[in-house]
Amino acid sequence: QSVLTQPPSVSAAPGQKVTISCSGSSSNIGNNYVSWYQHLPGTAPKLLIYDNNERPSGIPDRFSGSRSGTSATLGITGLQTGDEADYYCGTWDTSLGAVVFGGGTKLTVL
Amino acid sequence: QVQLQESGPGLVKPSETLSLTCSVSGDSIRSYSSYWSWIRQTPGKGLEWIGFIDSSGNTNNNPSLKSRVTLSVDTSKNQFSLRLSSLTAADTALYYCARAEKKLERLSDWGQGTLVTVSS
Repeated sequence: QSVLTQPPSVSAAPGQKVTISCSGSSSNIGNNYVSWYQHLPGTAPKLLIYDNNERPSGIPDRFSGSRSGTSATLGITGLQTGDEADYYCGTWDTSLGAVVFGGGTKLTVL
Repeated sequence: QVQLQESGPGLVKPSETLSLTCSVSGDSIRSYSSYWSWIRQTPGKGLEWIGFIDSSGNTNNNPSLKSRVTLSVDTSKNQFSLRLSSLTAADTALYYCARAEKKLERLSDWGQGTLVTVSS
């Protein structure tokens, strides 16, 4: 059972937009920055979003992040088949004294 | 571009101690704003943060792993290491090393991961 809650899977057609939610509490998302990661099995996870809504250099603006209260959202527009991957949210949990992650969301581009 | 590469045994016995090393290239492990981290991925539990060490040797471990974790850094080799003791089958996982940049949850660079199986 992960500290942060994500939907197990989402799907959408190529070219469409999808959002992935990440729900937490005041001890984590509510008071700390959220990061998002893309993970293709067999490869190194990739940082997509940090500080709730900032993109590292090289990450296209098709990827966006937002935070409201104790929830965060990753948005992906102009979906491509190459976006099929597992997506994880992560943040610091002040009560636990640890970085915590969501259980991951598998994105399928139909 | 920072590159990280994990190395260590793929199979360890229950009750023994796991030792993994992460070799860093493309950046000095003495980098002031970097936190050298370990994360693992278990089949049923997703990603679990193990802890970090900085270039000064300051560490912070996940309380869920209690005192089983020991982290160390070798600045002369540009490497950092993880030791996890009293292994059980629940420690079977894909272990990643990573660099957190300025904030612990900002894991900007990751290794490919190394699979560790705990079995007799």
